[in-house]
Amino acid sequence: DTGVSQNPRHKITKRGQNVTFRCDPISEHNRLYWYRQTLGQGPEFLTYFQNEAQLEKSRLLSDRFSAERPKGSFSTLEIQRTEQGDSAMYLCASSLRGILAGVTYQETQYFGPGTRLLVL
Amino acid sequence: DQQVKQNSPSLSVQEGRISILNCDYTNSMFDYFLWYKKYPAEGPTFLISISSIKDKNEDGRFTVFLNKSAKHLSLHIVPSQPGDSAVYFCAAKSRGSTLGRLYFGRGTQLTVWP
Repeated sequence: DTGVSQNPRHKITKRGQNVTFRCDPISEHNRLYWYRQTLGQGPEFLTYFQNEAQLEKSRLLSDRFSAERPKGSFSTLEIQRTEQGDSAMYLCASSLRGILAGVTYQETQYFGPGTRLLVL
Repeated sequence: DQQVKQNSPSLSVQEGRISILNCDYTNSMFDYFLWYKKYPAEGPTFLISISSIKDKNEDGRFTVFLNKSAKHLSLHIVPSQPGDSAVYFCAAKSRGSTLGRLYFGRGTQLTVWP
């Protein structure tokens, strides 16, 4: 399977605990995104990497959240001191930023299956 | 502030008929639009996209129409099949942004009944 993979698929934790999620993008993709989706809402942008550089963070990403992509391949999203409001589906997406004939072309983001987090 | 809006939370269509899902946006800087389909407990699956330089894009049973002056796009599915039952999300990307973040609507639950 060459799609985006995420682990774990489900996580139940107690309030105050730390959790870490992993995302493995499509192998040749240089861009990686994290989104969060709560019930009845569309995915909301959290942060974005181009290769190993974290280039944008949403204001939704409080200082309890940290994301890394150490070698420009897989990424981890850590939530410290979890709160009940952190309960959501955490989605990872990847895309390939490219230039064709001197023009940057529009890229499509491909999503993984998500990690469902429940904070008790 | 919801920059991409899907005002119909649900749509029910008979198998074989046309499904039309609508999406409105407020940001005139959006220049690339995508539709994703999502089944329960899965991530969104890319369906079809359209650039703002076009007003229509087709892929098999799926056609997306873009009306820039009205800041409106729609997804047509013809003919609809029971397997199309899912939540459909409209998403948009801003022109000139090298960052690529997508702005999503809240989704429309499509149910196709036999």
